[in-house]
Amino acid sequence: GAVVSQHPSRVICKSGTSVKIECRSLDFQATTMFWYRQFPKQSLMLMATSNEGSKATYEQGVEKDKFLINHASLTLSTLTVTSAHPEDSSFYICSAMDRTYGYTFGSGTRLTVV
Amino acid sequence: QKEVEQNSGPLSVPEGAIASLNCTYSDRGSQSFFWYRQYSGKSPELIMFIYSNGDKEDGRFTAQLNKASQYVSLLIRDSQPSDSATYLCATEGDSSYKLIFGSGTRLLVRP
Repeated sequence: GAVVSQHPSRVICKSGTSVKIECRSLDFQATTMFWYRQFPKQSLMLMATSNEGSKATYEQGVEKDKFLINHASLTLSTLTVTSAHPEDSSFYICSAMDRTYGYTFGSGTRLTVV
Repeated sequence: QKEVEQNSGPLSVPEGAIASLNCTYSDRGSQSFFWYRQYSGKSPELIMFIYSNGDKEDGRFTAQLNKASQYVSLLIRDSQPSDSATYLCATEGDSSYKLIFGSGTRLLVRP
């Protein structure tokens, strides 16, 4: 089956620093990757959609200059949270889409900004 | 207005009972419907997807779709304590490949 690897699983950073999260599709080429954010006891909120080689499409209300998404290849997408603040602390989850396997989720990254 | 609605629960059922989880959606153009299970602190895992009106069965799980009523449900037979989790309903629009999630229903199966 399809596997998506997401790293790191947990990260603690100081306020004002940047954090990069990687999402890799291990055994398939993902035409599209998605980034979600989930606050405690809430559902997954789609942040952005990215296609390889093109700019990400951000959902309304998501700051594209703060959440930088790079989709450099068909198997790798990265999300960089720039100048992180405590309110950015959340569970970030990536998903890769392929028409054969559908949507496959990474294991998530717990970000804590102190 | 939310696109996918779910009762937040918790829905509490005894072990061995049938758990019924419901979801409504607002976009009549939605074509595909997914049920995910999410344990606390983990990412969602796919249980089932359904495209056509009617029932789709997979083991202890049955998904039901009624496009006229814009309603999709998940039945879990012989519920087990290990089924205790949050169940997320999601739809895929007809014009874009992206999943929109409901807020999830928390299921608690009592031993």
